[in-house]
Amino acid sequence: DAGVTQSPTHLIKTRGQQVTLRCSPKSGHDTVSWYQQALGQGPQFIFQYYEEEERQRGNFPDRFSGHQFPNYSSELNVNALLLGDSALYLCASSLAASGSTDTQYFGPGTRLTVL
Amino acid sequence: GDSVTQMEGPVTLSEEAFLTINCTYTATGYPSLFWYVQYPGEGLQLLLKATKADDKGSNKGFEATYRKETTSFHLEKGSVQVSDSAVYFCAPSPNKLIFGTGTRLQVFP
Repeated sequence: DAGVTQSPTHLIKTRGQQVTLRCSPKSGHDTVSWYQQALGQGPQFIFQYYEEEERQRGNFPDRFSGHQFPNYSSELNVNALLLGDSALYLCASSLAASGSTDTQYFGPGTRLTVL
Repeated sequence: GDSVTQMEGPVTLSEEAFLTINCTYTATGYPSLFWYVQYPGEGLQLLLKATKADDKGSNKGFEATYRKETTSFHLEKGSVQVSDSAVYFCAPSPNKLIFGTGTRLQVFP
């Protein structure tokens, strides 16, 4: 049973560029959440996708956008990259039918460095 | 807004010592409560959870009890091992996970 997978593992970009990160959820899961973890900090919620729509969103600017595909995989897009966007980006999947008790399972993350 | 407060780290212990990591939270309604662990160079792993008041979550010798009256979910382990060295995150989930800065645990032989 494959867990949550993310690609790429590492990425280096320059300021002003755009980046796309990818996530495949754990088998049987239909909900994907994205988090940003700066060095030495806890993860911060970016947004969550369910049924191909953004269900809720954290306090991140519109430069951060996402998409969910019919097979439940998801992409995170960041435009006009800033140095402060350098972080570990974590994807987590869960099952919506579990409601408020749903457990989120995390992928290994994508380390983004903006120069 | 929703938030979580954990004790500052690092927590430094000798092997076989007793561990307590305090966690209190502010959240809407009655959230599920989670502890996640992040080992060096790895992603987040679920350690344990509790979904309603007075529930006790447990895993790998770790325990935490959902205390609604004090809005707390303190993590405990009776005898820590060197392999428990990691960063521990308490995370309430009213409808999304809310993380604090985490508590780094260092266990020495």
